[in-house]
Amino acid sequence: GAGVSQSPSNKVTEKGKDVELRCDPISGHTALYWYRQSLGQGLEFLIYFQGNSAPDKSGLPSDRFSAERTGGSVSTLTIQRTQQEDSAVYLCASSLLGDEQYFGPGTRLTVT
Amino acid sequence: DQQVKQNSPSLSVQEGRISILNCDYTNSMFDYFLWYKKYPAEGPTFLISISSIKDKNEDGRFTVFLNKSAKHLSLHIVPSQPGDSAVYFCAVKKFPTLTGKLIFGQGTTLQVKP
Repeated sequence: GAGVSQSPSNKVTEKGKDVELRCDPISGHTALYWYRQSLGQGLEFLIYFQGNSAPDKSGLPSDRFSAERTGGSVSTLTIQRTQQEDSAVYLCASSLLGDEQYFGPGTRLTVT
Repeated sequence: DQQVKQNSPSLSVQEGRISILNCDYTNSMFDYFLWYKKYPAEGPTFLISISSIKDKNEDGRFTVFLNKSAKHLSLHIVPSQPGDSAVYFCAVKKFPTLTGKLIFGQGTTLQVKP
């Protein structure tokens, strides 16, 4: 079956602009996670969804970051007023609760 | 404050030999440990895991060892193959967990030379 998909695969934006990153999880997976990987770093947890609720937003680095999930499926991560330090690969993962996480290919965000 | 550390950014081994990737963690409350493998331009894929009640888990060429007293985790690949060349991340979580979020190390790039 189809895996986790993310779009766009690459995004270049100017500092100060808003961006939206999209994640389509595996059908039926109730849990959805966003992580980011900055250059030379490991994956950093951002937010977790169970269904449409986000019980753990502890990894969002600032209030410029927000995310939503609709219909228990697609999720959008929004970064407002982007800064250069936001440049990273943003990865989405989904799972059945408690099971292993399946990752998408990521969106590479470059803020110029 | 890095809770999970992979101190070797890279490792190079000859095809057929053993690859040993290491990982250290700081919090004794972590009780579930995983290894993920990542190829360029792809997301990480789950490789193998171990819970804190075990000290070894084996799956084909891959074996994960856990030393709880030393808070140390290692992945052994025997024999190594060129297709194993990738970035390997160790990850931990507290299980059971309300969120299942993973805490990752920085990764080790493995190169297996033919």
